[in-house]
Amino acid sequence: GNSVTQMEGPVTLSEEAFLTINCTYTATGYPSLFWYVQYPGEGLQLLLKATKADDKGSNKGFEATYRKETTSFHLEKGSVQVSDSAVYFCALLDTGNQFYFGTGTSLTVIP
Amino acid sequence: DAGITQSPRHKVTETGTPVTLRCHQTENHRYMYWYRQDPGHGLRLIHYSYGVKDTDKGEVSDGYSVSRSKTEDFLLTLESATSSQTSVYFCAISVALDRNTEAFFGQGTRLTVV
Repeated sequence: GNSVTQMEGPVTLSEEAFLTINCTYTATGYPSLFWYVQYPGEGLQLLLKATKADDKGSNKGFEATYRKETTSFHLEKGSVQVSDSAVYFCALLDTGNQFYFGTGTSLTVIP
Repeated sequence: DAGITQSPRHKVTETGTPVTLRCHQTENHRYMYWYRQDPGHGLRLIHYSYGVKDTDKGEVSDGYSVSRSKTEDFLLTLESATSSQTSVYFCAISVALDRNTEAFFGQGTRLTVV
C-alpha cells in the first residue's frame, strides 16, 4: 500500500542554520508529492509540491526534489528563521485522489 | 483557505454522547475528507466523499459515520463518543489547479471526550 515516512522530531535549530527533513514514500504508479506546514492552532497549508520525477518544488526558501530512484522528497532550507518554527508534513497523492501523510516533524528555531 | 469552514472549533462532550462535526465548503469541490490528528500518528483518514451520497471508509473509520446530502456539506458523526476519540479533526477538500491537485484544509475542531 501507499505510505509516507518522515524523520522523527522534534528538530531544534539555531537561526540561519541549514535544515533538512527527510521524507521517503512507498506508492504504486506515479504519485504527486507535497510538503505541508502547520503553525500552532491552525490547519495545514501547502508549502510546496512536485508532480513528477526530478521536479523541484520551492517556496519561501524551502526546496524539495522528487527523486523517483530513491523514492524520496527531502525538504531543505539554507537558512532558517524563527518564523519557520512549525510542524512539517510530507504527503503523497495517489492516482485514486487519496492523500497519505507522514507523522509530521516539529521544528523549533531559536534566535 | 478555499472557503472551508469547520464547526464547532472546540467541543467538550461526555462519553457515550453523540457528536456531529460539520465541514462546509463554498466552491462545490467534489472530494472532501475527514482526518484526525494525534501525536505520533500525523493525519489519519477517517472517511472521505467523492460526491453527494458517495462516501467511503478510510484508515480509522470505526466509531465514525459520515453523510453528504449536499455538495457543500460533509458531516462527521461520532455515534457514541469515547475517550479515544479525543483528537483534533480536520476537514479537507481536493482541488485541481492547473491540472495539478492539492488539498486545502479547514482550521480544525478540537474535540475532548471526558
